Amino acid sequence: AQKITQTQPGMFVQEKEAVTLDCTYDTSDQSYGLFWYKQPSSGEMIFLIYQGSYDEQNATEGRYSLNFQKARKSANLVISASQLGDSAMYFCAMREGISSGSARQLTFGSGTQLTVLP
Amino acid sequence: DTAVSQTPKYLVTQMGNDKSIKCEQNLGHDTMYWYKQDSKKFLKIMFSYNNKELIINETVPNRFSPKSPDKAHLNLHINSLELGDSAVYFCASSRLAGGRGTDTQYFGPGTRLTVL
Repeated sequence: AQKITQTQPGMFVQEKEAVTLDCTYDTSDQSYGLFWYKQPSSGEMIFLIYQGSYDEQNATEGRYSLNFQKARKSANLVISASQLGDSAMYFCAMREGISSGSARQLTFGSGTQLTVLP
Repeated sequence: DTAVSQTPKYLVTQMGNDKSIKCEQNLGHDTMYWYKQDSKKFLKIMFSYNNKELIINETVPNRFSPKSPDKAHLNLHINSLELGDSAVYFCASSRLAGGRGTDTQYFGPGTRLTVL
């Protein structure tokens, strides 16, 4: 079974509008972390936002917010006031077992290609 | 002031050759990783080192060998390169998990390997 599922291969949004990128996850761990990364056409992986499984508040970082619904196992990324520079591939990722102190890898979803239209 | 750097950025080589990719981080992290991104953009962990010790070794051909001379460096050696090795290889680093967000992985710019 897929641990991270991103069901939207491509999304379009009008400049200045908000957009939600979907991510659902599957884990039996009680303690885990969820991350979103942005990969522009230049290829680098840019960290955007983090949500811990025990965090009660949804994470926010500037125009990025994470809509975390633990019971539904979803961690959707919301980008407000989209800009042309937001056009990129967006990856959702999960790190399991964050309380164990051991370094665990990130498991990535397949990504969503976001295009912001002028 | 590059946090995680990789060299080279592009690598074009013939099948059967041996090549290395170098990675350095100046974030003071104690854990480093290698990920492979295939032609469909799928990212998958290959290796992880903590304090120069291998702690994750996913199912990767033994032609791939990581080497960590110190906490700030993790190099990837690839022997007998094959066409299927063509991909983008990312180095990343983090602290060990210990609190909210402290284990965020920061990625290098990637090395695009093309095997002809």
